[in-house]
Amino acid sequence: KQEVTQIPAALSVPEGENLVLNCSFTDSAIYNLQWFRQDPGKGLTSLLLIQSSQREQTSGRLNASLDKSSGRSTLYIAASQPGDSATYLCAVNSGYSTLTFGKGTMLLVSP
Amino acid sequence: DAGVIQSPRHEVTEMGQEVTLRCKPISGHNSLFWYRQTMMRGLELLIYFNNNVPIDDSGMPEDRFSAKMPNASFSTLKIQPSEPRDSAVYFCASTQGQGSYNEQFFGPGTRLTVL
Repeated sequence: KQEVTQIPAALSVPEGENLVLNCSFTDSAIYNLQWFRQDPGKGLTSLLLIQSSQREQTSGRLNASLDKSSGRSTLYIAASQPGDSATYLCAVNSGYSTLTFGKGTMLLVSP
Repeated sequence: DAGVIQSPRHEVTEMGQEVTLRCKPISGHNSLFWYRQTMMRGLELLIYFNNNVPIDDSGMPEDRFSAKMPNASFSTLKIQPSEPRDSAVYFCASTQGQGSYNEQFFGPGTRLTVL
């Protein structure tokens, strides 16, 4: 059974810092990995989707990498802003379109 | 596109009552998913439909839970009878195609409180 772990569970940084969020998964036989953002009391917003054949994806200040063989992904946020404060969720697609989610990293960026 | 639409956004009910949650997927998407989010267990898949047919319902916790997709633009998740431990946020998501390569798009969720 696929298990997804996100470290750290919470992170607090001053504005402007570059930061890395980590995601690990136990079964490397995945189709893709998706990073989401969730604001308090809101739904999930898809940030990046990395197919199993890809090594990384970039969108603006966000860069996600995937090392399938070691079961790891990282989300890099450059020049963090207070508006980046949210919970970031990693989800792994191991087949049949079903996603297994990590518990998330709660990020607080202070001005 | 309006995105995935869910209703109601909030539901408060008493134990033993029937609860029905509704979802309209993104037009053109033929796969639909129901998830539940709690503090203890995080986000968990309940059931997955493809072309209106349930493909995997192994995440449905008990027989009190049932889901239907009568057509490509509408799905319901019903809990009968509801219990306090069903309190959670229920999300609906949709994607295009049956394969495992496509991005899933989530609705805003329904926050259910069972007293």
